[in-house]
Amino acid sequence: DAGVIQSPRHEVTEMGQEVTLRCKPISGHNSLFWYRQTMMRGLELLIYFNNNVPIDDSGMPEDRFSAKMPNASFSTLKIQPSEPRDSAVYFCASSLSDYGYTFGSGTRLTVV
Amino acid sequence: EDQVTQSPEALRLQEGESSSLNCSYTVSGLRGLFWYRQDPGKGPEFLFTLYSAGEEKEKERLKATLTKKESFLHITAPKPEDSATYLCAVQAANTGGFKTIFGAGTRLFVKA
Repeated sequence: DAGVIQSPRHEVTEMGQEVTLRCKPISGHNSLFWYRQTMMRGLELLIYFNNNVPIDDSGMPEDRFSAKMPNASFSTLKIQPSEPRDSAVYFCASSLSDYGYTFGSGTRLTVV
Repeated sequence: EDQVTQSPEALRLQEGESSSLNCSYTVSGLRGLFWYRQDPGKGPEFLFTLYSAGEEKEKERLKATLTKKESFLHITAPKPEDSATYLCAVQAANTGGFKTIFGAGTRLFVKA
């Protein structure tokens, strides 16, 4: 298995632009998580899905953030419009039931 | 409020110098406690899950233990390749799902 695949690895965009981050979880995993990591705040859970259904989005910072999981093999995290304070590394992770998570390599987002 | 506190923030060891990392947690009902390793530029890598006080898990030079209030990650005779950030995370039993809260991590440096 190739693991959790995220794209792009790096994204540089201008303030106000729309950004879409993509994630392909491990086949057979039924839970998917989006985390954001910064030096100041560490790893923060943004949203998680169970069997493609959003369960808890209380970590989504603002309405500018949205996430979808149209099927078991794909999820997106969208920021519209982006702001400089959104700059961070965004991780996607998947798991099967309550085993440990498998994280992707992350997307480093820079908003200028 | 569920909380995870790791100490120390950073730890510098000589190769072969054993030590322990601490993870203190406050959670209404512990479903599981997890340890991850994170290398620079990569996503966290799952190491262990502990479910109940008194439980221990081992992997190579690492040994994780759990009490009702804290967990320790013991590193025996570390090598330079053990240098990484070690993250502790807890999953609360009352969330109805798999929401996992991470600590800020301990950065470990092992010098040859």
